[in-house]
Amino acid sequence: GAGVSQSPSNKVTEKGKDVELRCDPISGHTALYWYRQSLGQGLEFLIYFQGNSAPDKSGLPSDRFSAERTGGSVSTLTIQRTQQEDSAVYLCASSVRQGLSGNTIYFGEGSWLTVV
Amino acid sequence: GIQVEQSPPDLILQEGANSTLRCNFSDSVNNLQWFHQNPWGQLINLFYIPSGTKQNGRLSATTVATERYSLLYISSSQTTDSGVYFCAVERAGGTSYGKLTFGQGTILTVHP
Repeated sequence: GAGVSQSPSNKVTEKGKDVELRCDPISGHTALYWYRQSLGQGLEFLIYFQGNSAPDKSGLPSDRFSAERTGGSVSTLTIQRTQQEDSAVYLCASSVRQGLSGNTIYFGEGSWLTVV
Repeated sequence: GIQVEQSPPDLILQEGANSTLRCNFSDSVNNLQWFHQNPWGQLINLFYIPSGTKQNGRLSATTVATERYSLLYISSSQTTDSGVYFCAVERAGGTSYGKLTFGQGTILTVHP
């Protein structure tokens, strides 16, 4: 596609429910990233994929958070047993170069998650 | 980890004015990007500029890597320039490929 596509754009869920957020990177981009933006915390790195593998999961805040990527393309971020502090904008990004640093990273429009 | 500090935190301008936003970082970097976050939350990539100078229309950016800072210049500002401007860096070395550390942002408001 022309840009990084994320869905849903908005999600309101009840505390304790599971949610799935989807990211479709720019075609041909092999690197994919998830970030989170919340009030008071700024923008935080969550996880990085190179192809289908995730060499860096250091940013996942707890074991309720997981992510996978299949076919080197679409990625899903899953939050289990959501808590109110999970409310945030979840941003996906992708870049063209695999395994190398120093390349432009492009962001999607984000998924706004509200846990009530 | 690497620290990123942006200044000023807030900036209010009259349309047509020029401005300079600054980003200081605490370690060597191999990626530095400036983003504009629009009112809908999307991060729009302005510049990929780990070193040197680039210009794009009314915007330009300069990064002096040896002194660990970057500047974003906005000339003849317009109301549509309003929003939050973020600087983000990737620390050089290690295996932090693509892991960006963001500054806290500069909130720019341009009045007509």
